Amino acid sequence: NAGVTQTPKFQVLKTGQSMTLQCAQDMNHNSMYWYRQDPGMGLRLIYYSASEGTTDKGEVPNGYNVSRLNKREFSLRLESAAPSQTSVYFCASMATNTEAFFGQGTRLTVV
Amino acid sequence: GQQVMQIPQYQHVQEGEDFTTYCNSSTTLSNIQWYKQRPGGHPVFLIQLVKSGEVKKQKRLTFQFGEAKKNSSLHITATQTTDVGTYFCGYSGAGSYQLTFGKGTKLSVIP
Repeated sequence: NAGVTQTPKFQVLKTGQSMTLQCAQDMNHNSMYWYRQDPGMGLRLIYYSASEGTTDKGEVPNGYNVSRLNKREFSLRLESAAPSQTSVYFCASMATNTEAFFGQGTRLTVV
Repeated sequence: GQQVMQIPQYQHVQEGEDFTTYCNSSTTLSNIQWYKQRPGGHPVFLIQLVKSGEVKKQKRLTFQFGEAKKNSSLHITATQTTDVGTYFCGYSGAGSYQLTFGKGTKLSVIP
């Protein structure tokens, strides 16, 4: 009963490097989300996917891309990492109008 | 766009004191959810409110949704050290799958 699984848990990147954060859920949820969390800023929505095949921008999409590979998986890509993208990233999934389940988070540092 | 303010940003209380956090919206919300995030952890769902004037209780926690569905509160009676963490309200607009969060209230409990 894994719920929402994010990989990796920790990552250090150099400025300009690229990487993909992976997220998978096993609850057959339609909606999936990517958030970043910075001190004092709460949870800010980067991108979301209401269903397989669709993605939409959230509050802070610049510098990120996403792929909803299938119903289970929703990945977040940083094409050219910047120090301003140092943050904790959370993936979440939700069935329609019910509770959201969060992954354990990815702590990303860009140096 | 929809704006929800969550106050206060921080709250320090002596163990045994009460605590309240508020979310106030400029527009009507279709529903509101509350989450708790322990230090170093991920947000965990507490409750969802849907109806105008709704009040729900979970042990020492009382959740309210205003009559106009623009305001919500979470009240903790007689705080304990296990209540430490950040409390977030989450919301979606009518017909929208976008799940947005307030900035959160960080609760510290002094033993």
